[in-house]
Amino acid sequence: DVKVTQSSRYLVKRTGEKVFLECVQDMDHENMFWYRQDPGLGLRLIYFSYDVKMKEKGDIPEGYSVSREKKERFSLILESASTNQTSMYLCASRSGQNTGELFFGEGSRLTVL
Amino acid sequence: DAKTTQPNSMESNEEEPVHLPCNHSTISGTDYIHWYRQLPSQGPEYVIHGLTSNVNNRMASLAIAEDRKSSTLILHRATLRDAAVYYCIPGSIQGAQKLVFGQGTRLTINP
Repeated sequence: DVKVTQSSRYLVKRTGEKVFLECVQDMDHENMFWYRQDPGLGLRLIYFSYDVKMKEKGDIPEGYSVSREKKERFSLILESASTNQTSMYLCASRSGQNTGELFFGEGSRLTVL
Repeated sequence: DAKTTQPNSMESNEEEPVHLPCNHSTISGTDYIHWYRQLPSQGPEYVIHGLTSNVNNRMASLAIAEDRKSSTLILHRATLRDAAVYYCIPGSIQGAQKLVFGQGTRLTINP
């Protein structure tokens, strides 16, 4: 069964802390994405990566960075967490073979106090 | 990105068909129409996608208007497990291209 795994379902952090959200996929997909989901705002794209060490800004990259050192792993980094980054974070991956389907992880709910 | 219009919410009864509409009048000629759904406390999951012709799979059917400005997702026999938010997304089929999720339609299934 194909899988996108996010390292933590729930995290609680303090303002100013550095936060790492990890995502691993086992489908050998070239493309990986980080979204955040907030009530009333839907899913918004933060960053995506179409290859190892490659990254592109999405619609709301401010306050975030990403790392893709290996094909299967895409990390989202909050350098200095703030309360407005309290959200549900969703990782997704997609094949480069133009099959269309986006596979999502279960999400990481981050609370910043 | 093409704009989409979906009803905020819909309600149906178990074991009845459900037709979920979507308007995407600004869709580009090469964009596919993708449908995803999000069950409570889970990430979105793929349902179906199509370009021009109607499409069927084990989960649902997708009916696409001839002018491609609208489409309808059809659940043939709804179950309680189909209660979810359904997203209609015009977008590329290419892997490196992003998909933009709107607000979707919250579907409630009554027993």
